[in-house]
Amino acid sequence: EAGVTQFPSHSVIEKGQTVTLRCDPISGHDNLYWYRRVMGKEIKFLLHFVKESKQDESGMPNNRFLAERTGGTYSTLKVQPAELEDSGVYFCASSPLGPPTGELFFGEGSRLTVL
Amino acid sequence: GENVGLHLPTLSVQEGDNSIINCAYSNSASDYFIWYKQESGKGPQFIIDIRSNMDKRQGQRVTVLLNKTVKHLSLQIAATQPGDSAVYFCAEVGAGSYQLTFGKGTKLSVIP
Repeated sequence: EAGVTQFPSHSVIEKGQTVTLRCDPISGHDNLYWYRRVMGKEIKFLLHFVKESKQDESGMPNNRFLAERTGGTYSTLKVQPAELEDSGVYFCASSPLGPPTGELFFGEGSRLTVL
Repeated sequence: GENVGLHLPTLSVQEGDNSIINCAYSNSASDYFIWYKQESGKGPQFIIDIRSNMDKRQGQRVTVLLNKTVKHLSLQIAATQPGDSAVYFCAEVGAGSYQLTFGKGTKLSVIP
């Protein structure tokens, strides 16, 4: 069974540009999460989808970040315009059930470098 | 690597020895705890979990201990192997929440 896949694995962009990260969860997993680790910090929660609905977006840092999950399958996270402090690794995770009843399966992450 | 700049605590152990990785969590209302292993270039991988109504749980070569009085979590790895070298994170989940709150992580290096 395929795991959580993320694309691109690494993106290098200039400040002010736009980047879109994509996550394909494990098939059948209704719960999809975005987390990120910026330089020198812990992994932090960004948001949580159940199917196509945003359940919790309290971790989104500002309105330059937009996450979507049209059709309840894959999700995209767009950063527009990107700033230097957005550099880091963005992880996607999925689970059939939420914690504490469901294990989260993480992707390998998308590394974003903003110059 | 992605952990550059994170100034992780490091634990070095000899192959075959037992490892103990500690974590202090912040929220006394957290009721579910997980240990993750992250190898270089990969995402966090689930190791073992424990609910707040337990104080110990064992898996294959791993044991998690929970001390709610002092808000402390530990991961014990028996007979540590080179493949155990990674960064280990604890994570906590508050009651009714779907958010994981991660700790800083500890880098485990196994000396062959």
